[in-house]
Amino acid sequence: AQSVAQPEDQVNVAEGNPLTVKCTYSVSGNPYLFWYVQYPNRGLQFLLKYITGDNLVKGSYGFEAEFNKSQTSFHLKKPSALVSDSALYFCAVREYDNNDMRFGAGTRLTVKP
Amino acid sequence: GAVVSQHPSRVICKSGTSVKIECRSLDFQATTMFWYRQFPKKSLMLMATSNEGSKATYEQGVEKDKFLINHASLTLSTLTVTSAHPEDSSFYICSARSGTSVPGELFFGEGSRLTVL
Repeated sequence: AQSVAQPEDQVNVAEGNPLTVKCTYSVSGNPYLFWYVQYPNRGLQFLLKYITGDNLVKGSYGFEAEFNKSQTSFHLKKPSALVSDSALYFCAVREYDNNDMRFGAGTRLTVKP
Repeated sequence: GAVVSQHPSRVICKSGTSVKIECRSLDFQATTMFWYRQFPKKSLMLMATSNEGSKATYEQGVEKDKFLINHASLTLSTLTVTSAHPEDSSFYICSARSGTSVPGELFFGEGSRLTVL
């Protein structure tokens, strides 16, 4: 079965600095990879996805992620963090032909002014 | 993007009562819906997969008789927490997948916070 690991519970960055939120995955076949963001007491909002094609995926709000097959990673990045980026971020994986999606434990991003 | 509506957003009930949470896909037909439970500062735990017109598939450890799921139409799935107890207090989130969405892409509701007194 597929699984996702987010090794950092918390990431703190200063506003204007680049940010990285890490994610590694495990699947037996080809992965579909996703990043979602959650604000307090809200559902999840889709940021970006990797299905196939270019390893660098660009998504909403200036976020991007790089698919690295050899390292089985899909780290989320942004060149310049905003205070409003502070939220809970989830990495998720779905295996081809598998119906459900598995989420990582989440990483809380705090961007300080 | 597609919109999933979840209702109610917050509900408080007494122990022993049942609570129903609705999940609707507003602008697409959802062949499959998923119900998740989220504990404070924790990830989403998949509870069950709901397929229109058939029985839900529950994850291991989830009580079928306590968490009743009905997916009666292509736009509505309901989760009923029966005989709720304080330990059932949690944030419940539904998601839906349409037949035309890219593989794996899910659309999430805003969540329902259940508090059982």
